[in-house]
Amino acid sequence: DARVTQTPRHKVTEMGQEVTMRCQPILGHNTVFWYRQTMMQGLELLAYFRNRAPLDDSGMPKDRFSAEMPDATLATLKIQPSEPRDSAVYFCASGQGSTDTQYFGPGTRLTVL
Amino acid sequence: GEDVEQSLFLSVREGDSSVINCTYTDSSSTYLYWYKQEPGAGLQLLTYIFSNMDMKQDQRLTVLLNKKDKHLSLRIADTQTGDSAIYFCAVVSGSARQLTFGSGTQLTVLP
Repeated sequence: DARVTQTPRHKVTEMGQEVTMRCQPILGHNTVFWYRQTMMQGLELLAYFRNRAPLDDSGMPKDRFSAEMPDATLATLKIQPSEPRDSAVYFCASGQGSTDTQYFGPGTRLTVL
Repeated sequence: GEDVEQSLFLSVREGDSSVINCTYTDSSSTYLYWYKQEPGAGLQLLTYIFSNMDMKQDQRLTVLLNKKDKHLSLRIADTQTGDSAIYFCAVVSGSARQLTFGSGTQLTVLP
C-alpha cells in the first residue's frame, strides 16, 4: 500500500533553532506539495514541485523557510531560525501531474517554544 | 483567486444520512475532491468528481455537483461513529492547477 511518509512526526524545539522536515513521496509521483495547517488559517499551500523543480513557493516566508528536492524520493522543508508562530502541522502531499489528485502524508506536528 | 466555502459544523444521529455542502467561485474548476481528516492524522482522499459529471456514487458516498450554482455536496449514507471527522472540499483551478481547500466541516455522529 503506497503512502507518503513524513519524518519526524512530532518536533518540539526552541525559538531560533533550525528545523528540518522530510517527506518521501509515493514512488512514481512527480509532484510534491508542502502545506501548513493551523486552527486560525486552515490549510495553506507553502510550496510545490513538479519533476523536482520548484514551481511555486509564494506561500512560504522566504526569509526563513526553504524547500528542496535533493532527489525524486526526498523532499525537505527547512525553517531557520524557527519562531513560535511557526508552530503548526506541516503536511507533505504527492501526486501524478496528469490527474491533480494529491495524497497526503501523516504530517509533522511542530511546536516552537 | 479561488474561494471555497464550507459550513464549520454538522451533527447527525448514527444511522442517518449526512450531507456536507461546499461552494466555490471558479467556474473553470476541473476536478473537485473530498478529503477526510481524523484527529492527529493527515488528509485521506475520499472521492473526487470531474467537472463534466453531475453525480458520482461510491458505496455509502454520493457526490453531487451543480456547476451552474458552483455547489458540491457529499452525502454519507447510514452514518457511523467512525465517520466522525473533518471533511474538506478541495477544488483544482487556475493555470497553476493547484488545490484550494475549504475550511473543513467537523462532522459529529451522535449515538
